[in-house]
This record gives sequence, C-alpha cells and structure tokens, in this order.
Amino acid sequence: GAGVSQSPSNKVTEKGKDVELRCDPISGHTALYWYRQSLGQGLEFLIYFQGNSAPDKSGLPSDRFSAERTGGSVSTLTIQRTQQEDSAVYLCASSHKQSNTEAFFGQGTRLTVV
Amino acid sequence: QKEVEQNSGPLSVPEGAIASLNCTYSDRGSQSFFWYRQYSGKSPELIMFIYSNGDKEDGRFTAQLNKASQYVSLLIRDSQPSDSATYLCAVNRQAGTALIFGKGTTLSVSS
Repeated sequence: GAGVSQSPSNKVTEKGKDVELRCDPISGHTALYWYRQSLGQGLEFLIYFQGNSAPDKSGLPSDRFSAERTGGSVSTLTIQRTQQEDSAVYLCASSHKQSNTEAFFGQGTRLTVV
Repeated sequence: QKEVEQNSGPLSVPEGAIASLNCTYSDRGSQSFFWYRQYSGKSPELIMFIYSNGDKEDGRFTAQLNKASQYVSLLIRDSQPSDSATYLCAVNRQAGTALIFGKGTTLSVSS
C-alpha cells in the first residue's frame, strides 16, 4: 500500500488478556518505530527497528511488552496480561534510514482495556 | 531532564499573528530536528525538518536551530484557524537511531 497500515484500528480487551497489534510499513522503509500516546499526552517511544540491527527496546515500559519484525517488513507489538493503564493509541511509523528524514505514521490502533 | 522538552501550552494567538513554538533537547550530539503537527484524533504529520544551525523557511513556516543553546523553534507567520493543532518537536541523535518526541504544544488560533 501507499502508506503505513495498522490493524486493528480499534481493540477492546479484558484486563489480563494478551493482544497483538500489527504494523505494515511503507515498502522499502528500513526503519520502523512503535510509539504509545495516552489521551492528551505526547508520543512515548517504545521500540525501534532498523534493518537487520538489534532493535532499540529501551522504551518498552515492562516485560509484558514485546515486538518483533519479520523479514524486515511487518511488525507485531504484543502486550501480555493487559492492564487498564495500557489503554492508549499505539502508533507505528516507518522511514528510510539513508535519508534520515521524516517518519510516516500509520493511523494507529486505539486499545481499550476494560 | 527529559530528552525533548516543550511548553504544553495552550498557546493562543489571533488570526494573522505570528505563533512561536519552542523546544529544547538534552543530547548535545543530536543531529536532526523535526516539527510535526497533530490534529485532534489524527496521526502526526511532518511540517519541517532542519539539520544545520540557522533558519529554514518553507512557506509560512520557519524552523530555527541553535545547537549551542540546544534549542529549536518553529515560527508560523500569518496564523490561520486551520493551524490550530498540537505541534510536536522530535529529535534524532544520529542517523539510524530512534526519533524521540516532546510532549507537544497546543496552538489555538482564533478568528
């Protein structure tokens, strides 16, 4: 597709359940980011993938959060044993490394933990 | 000290005025600086990026970078009500590393 695609757009889950959020970056983009945005807040960095390099996981808030990127393309963010404080919009972005310019964002997944 | 800091606002300006948005960063070695605009309920979109000290102009927008002071700003001339949004400053320490965002400044332009 032409842009970054995220699915699902909305997800409601019960506390304690696991969830998987998917991101399909722009074709050819080597860098992929996951951010979390709580209501009225800025973008909290979670994890960054760059090509075949080891991901920068420094932003993951707890060991309940993990992410993988298969084949250098699609990425999945997994949250285990969800808590109410995990409720937020999860945004994925991708960019070229070489140009070091803008990151293009998907429309996000709104996660609600009830 | 947070890596990227912005005044959350709200910053209110009348239509036609100049809006000035400011951002400071903590890592002196940072190389790339970005301004994103985010409308309520939407994803961020890039307005401008700047790499070198000085000013960079694009239409009604001017980005200013002062690496010695670790300060980057965005000026919006002839502000319009459609400019009302949250403006996010983002910093990239070096090529191939994560892009870190500030919490954003909310701008309100009144007609």
